[in-house]
Amino acid sequence: GAGVSQSPSNKVTEKGKDVELRCDPISGHTALYWYRQSLGQGLEFLIYFQGNSAPDKSGLPSDRFSAERTGGSVSTLTIQRTQQEDSAVYLCASSLVRTYEQYFGPGTRLTVT
Amino acid sequence: GESVGLHLPTLSVQEGDNSIINCAYSNSASDYFIWYKQESGKGPQFIIDIRSNMDKRQGQRVTVLLNKTVKHLSLQIAATQPGDSAVYFCAETRDDKIIFGKGTRLHILP
Repeated sequence: GAGVSQSPSNKVTEKGKDVELRCDPISGHTALYWYRQSLGQGLEFLIYFQGNSAPDKSGLPSDRFSAERTGGSVSTLTIQRTQQEDSAVYLCASSLVRTYEQYFGPGTRLTVT
Repeated sequence: GESVGLHLPTLSVQEGDNSIINCAYSNSASDYFIWYKQESGKGPQFIIDIRSNMDKRQGQRVTVLLNKTVKHLSLQIAATQPGDSAVYFCAETRDDKIIFGKGTRLHILP
C-alpha cells in the first residue's frame, strides 16, 4: 500500500516569500504530525492533528507558521514571509489513533535564499 | 552523549559485532519510549517501542532496555550489518506527542 507522501520534495524560495508544503498521510490514519529537521539535528515537533480534535500547535516556532488538515486527510503546512533560518527538511508522519508507530514521509527540503 | 551544533554523536562498530546505542530522557512521566532509524535522505522508520512499565523488550535482532531509575534507554543491535548504518533517534511520549532526542550516527566498519 502507499505510504506517506510529501510534495514538493525540494523547494527553493527567496526570503520573504510564502511557501506551502503538502502531506498525504496513509489512508485511515487519524493522527498526523509535522516535524522540522535542521541539518544534522534531531526532529523538532511542530504540530499534531488527531481526528476532529483541535490541533496541538505548541511546537510552531512563530506565527508565520500555520497548518491545516482538510477532511481528516491531506495536510498543508504554510510558512509566511520565509526567513533563512526556516531552511530545513520538513517531515510529515501519520499513525493510527493511540499508537506511537509513526510512518514518515520522505520530507520536503526547504531552502530559503 | 549530547550533540553540539551540527555534530551528532557517532558510534563506530565492526560489522558482525553488537551495537549499543544509548539515550538519556528527561520526562519521568512518559508512557512510551521509541527508537527510530533514519537512513540518509529518508524519513525516520519505527524500530521498536517499550512501555514505561517494562524494562526490556526484544524484537528481531534488536533489544531495547529501559532503566527508569537513571532515565536511560538503550538500543542493542545484534550482529550489526552494513544496512544498519543510519542515525538512530530515541523518542519519548509527552502529552500525546512524541518528542525526539538528538540522535546517534551508527557507522559500520568493514
